[in-house]
Amino acid sequence: NAGVMQNPRHLVRRRGQEARLRCSPMKGHSHVYWYRQLPEEGLKFMVYLQKENIIDESGMPKERFSAEFPKEGPSILRIQQVVRGDSAAYFCATTGGQREKLFFGSGTQLSVL
Amino acid sequence: KQEVTQIPAALSVPEGENLVLNCSFTDSAIYNLQWFRQDPGKGLTSLLLIQSSQREQTSGRLNASLDKSSGRSTLYIAASQPGDSATYLCAVQSGGGATNKLIFGTGTLLAVQP
Repeated sequence: NAGVMQNPRHLVRRRGQEARLRCSPMKGHSHVYWYRQLPEEGLKFMVYLQKENIIDESGMPKERFSAEFPKEGPSILRIQQVVRGDSAAYFCATTGGQREKLFFGSGTQLSVL
Repeated sequence: KQEVTQIPAALSVPEGENLVLNCSFTDSAIYNLQWFRQDPGKGLTSLLLIQSSQREQTSGRLNASLDKSSGRSTLYIAASQPGDSATYLCAVQSGGGATNKLIFGTGTLLAVQP
């Protein structure tokens, strides 16, 4: 959905570098979900945030991955010390409230060399 | 643990044909089920959303049905067109908890030949 903005669209990193992926929700949306789509696999839930709070991070890898959604600004998915296995498409989806329809961004394609 | 399966994984049909995509889920305690379309290198577009209390939803040439008790949903596409070529994803939102967390199937890659 054009209203959910993700940037960059493509991100290339070398092994060991940090990757920062940004998601700007649609106006009025305060709930953000991050999903990862590995090659040849379906989308997997990573984390759910609601302004300044992490509600559910059951899908986040235990190490190197973190997410935030500050009071001002976009939600950030941060991957430290990237490895080749982190190469994937990362999508965010936003909604105005629990149980409301999700709107997806166009994703960030992360490539780790 | 909820698991969502889609068959077939890939489908190729000639233009004009009617087709059915299948989705099954293991836990019938769902809140809703959604069908999405994903084009290469792009995000997801929601096609149809069926609440757990509903049996079907229609939008244009698309019709989605839901049989919660048997854990199945189908997406029917009438009079297919080359522009329908994309990956179709089925996702369920579980009934427990108060989140919009979706569990996705791996998708059906559809190719409509002109």
